[in-house]
Order: sequence, then C-alpha cells, then structure tokens
Amino acid sequence: SAVISQKPSRDICQRGTSLTIQCQVDSQVTMMFWYRQQPGQSLTLIATANQGSEATYESGFVIDKFPISRPNLTFSTLTVSNMSPEDSSIYLCSVPLGDSLTGELFFGEGSRLTVL
Amino acid sequence: AQSVTQLGSHVSVSEGALVLLRCNYSSSVPPYLFWYVQYPNQGLQLLLKYTTGATLVKGINGFEAEFKKSETSFHLTKPSAHMSDAAEYFCAVRLYNQGGKLIFGQGTELSVKP
Repeated sequence: SAVISQKPSRDICQRGTSLTIQCQVDSQVTMMFWYRQQPGQSLTLIATANQGSEATYESGFVIDKFPISRPNLTFSTLTVSNMSPEDSSIYLCSVPLGDSLTGELFFGEGSRLTVL
Repeated sequence: AQSVTQLGSHVSVSEGALVLLRCNYSSSVPPYLFWYVQYPNQGLQLLLKYTTGATLVKGINGFEAEFKKSETSFHLTKPSAHMSDAAEYFCAVRLYNQGGKLIFGQGTELSVKP
C-alpha cells in the first residue's frame, strides 16, 4: 500500500473564500486523482493530475474553480475557489497501486470541508 | 458511456444471513472491477478486485465477488453477515483507455440487524 497524507483533514470555511488541500504521497507516482464526495453521495472524479502536464478535468469541473498543482511525483494540491455551501464535501486524493492504469486506487483519508 | 450501476441504495440483512450487493457495469473495453468499503467517518478501503484470470475473486473479511461477462455483473457476496459489516459499499470500474480513471457506482448502504 501507500501512505497518503492530506491536509487539512477538516475545515470550516466562509462563503467566498478559497482553500487549498495538500496531498503528500510516500512514494513517487505518475498519476494522481482528485475526487469529491458530497454528503451521502458516491465519489465523483474531479480531475487527473499527472506530473509534467496540465490536469485533466472531468465534465462539470473547471480549472478556475478547482485549480490543481502537481509540482513533483509525490505532491499535489487542489484549491477550491470562491466556495459556496454546495462545495461542502469530502475531497480525496488517490494514487494507483501496482499497474498505473489497471491497478486499484489507494485513497487518502480525505479533507472534509464545510462551507458556511 | 461507461458506467457502474448498483442496484439498491440500501440493503438490510439479519446477522448471519447472506449478503448480496449487486453491481452491473458498462464498458467498451475489458473491465477492471473493484469493490470498496467505507465505514462511517472513515476512508475508502479496497475489499477486492477483478483484473484478469479467475472470475471468482476473494477479498478481505470473507467477501467475494464473481465477474460474469455475459451478465456484465460483479455482485458482492458474503455467506454470513456480521454486525461489523455495516458500512457503505462502492462498486467501481477502472477505465484504462481513459487515462485510468476509476468510476464509482452510487453506493449501497448495508445495515445488519441483530
């Protein structure tokens, strides 16, 4: 397995502010994925962050709202910009174990954001 | 479009009874399938996975799943439910032809009655 550290683990934010979530992995990985889990819902992929290239966003997610950085093979950040209560969710980063395209994804504990 | 459908958002069983959680997938390429479990206020944990080879796969905590290509299904079972199995279960498919993204089903909440 891998060790994924996410910061913050939880936060309460004010409407209109932005928050950056950090994801640190204990090994070098080419691929990193950011997911959102809204209350009582399943996980939805926000974007794929590969080192050395721009993040690839899924339908419904845009870079202006969720800018992502991937400066090296062990670290990534996701920013939730201009937050509204609808952004209250758990945000998770994940990395593949084994084969990078077909192996399981290992998930961090997530960052639980509440927007007031 | 490739997707995962879990039948039943909530399943309730008695302790000691069979657990059956249903998952059907849609994929234009050979699927790589996974079941994850999420206990209350905890992160996701892999239960089991199907990649290639044997269609009946065994996972942790006594769970197993069978890949049936003809039925495009990957149902999760456990012969005898335990109270500690109460959790949210997610079926997912990994799309290696789409950058390796992992697509989740809607999830099934399992309740176990004493």
